[in-house]
Amino acid sequence: DQQVKQNSPSLSVQEGRISILNCDYTNSMFDYFLWYKKYPAEGPTFLISISSIKDKNEDGRFTVFLNKSAKHLSLHIVPSQPGDSAVYFCAASAGNYGQNFVFGPGTRLSVLP
Amino acid sequence: DGGITQSPKYLFRKEGQNVTLSCEQNLNHDAMYWYRQDPGQGLRLIYYSQIVNDFQKGDIAEGYSVSREKKESFPLTVTSAQKNPTAFYLCASRAGRVNEKLFFGSGTQLSVL
Repeated sequence: DQQVKQNSPSLSVQEGRISILNCDYTNSMFDYFLWYKKYPAEGPTFLISISSIKDKNEDGRFTVFLNKSAKHLSLHIVPSQPGDSAVYFCAASAGNYGQNFVFGPGTRLSVLP
Repeated sequence: DGGITQSPKYLFRKEGQNVTLSCEQNLNHDAMYWYRQDPGQGLRLIYYSQIVNDFQKGDIAEGYSVSREKKESFPLTVTSAQKNPTAFYLCASRAGRVNEKLFFGSGTQLSVL
């Protein structure tokens, strides 16, 4: 059973518009969430994180929103750029020393010029 | 420059052969991880290690083995018991504190001849 879900395998957005990537989780013990961006044949790179004590975190063009009651988080990219085209993974963990991260299946974002 | 180095970038395995993937980090991180990515899927945890000389099985450890003799190194051996080894393998590390993000290497693509 997938503990972290990204129900949209792909998303296409026009350059300059907002991209919204969604992630749902089932384990109520998860309290730390990250978003990673991945290009083909490369390792994922960290984008932004949020802990469960917050409901929003911003870093430049990237904002992550967390709705704990709905067990849902979303990544907003504004404005979207062609270089943002990649696969985006949501990851979640339960806060303890040995925390392991559970990854979603990813959403492929295509930003069209 | 601090980072995680995986080698080789591409690796081919013959039937019945064991192969070892290298992962070295100079970030002084306590914890190290191995993930496997299959096309269209998320990252699945194979093994992880929180400290030297200790490691734990992840979700898909069968057919794999690891060692952690040095803090900097966490090699993964894909044994002949792994019947479907073709995948993209990612090594990651993180500091041992709570809510520290994962840093990833650039990955190794393993294919079966």
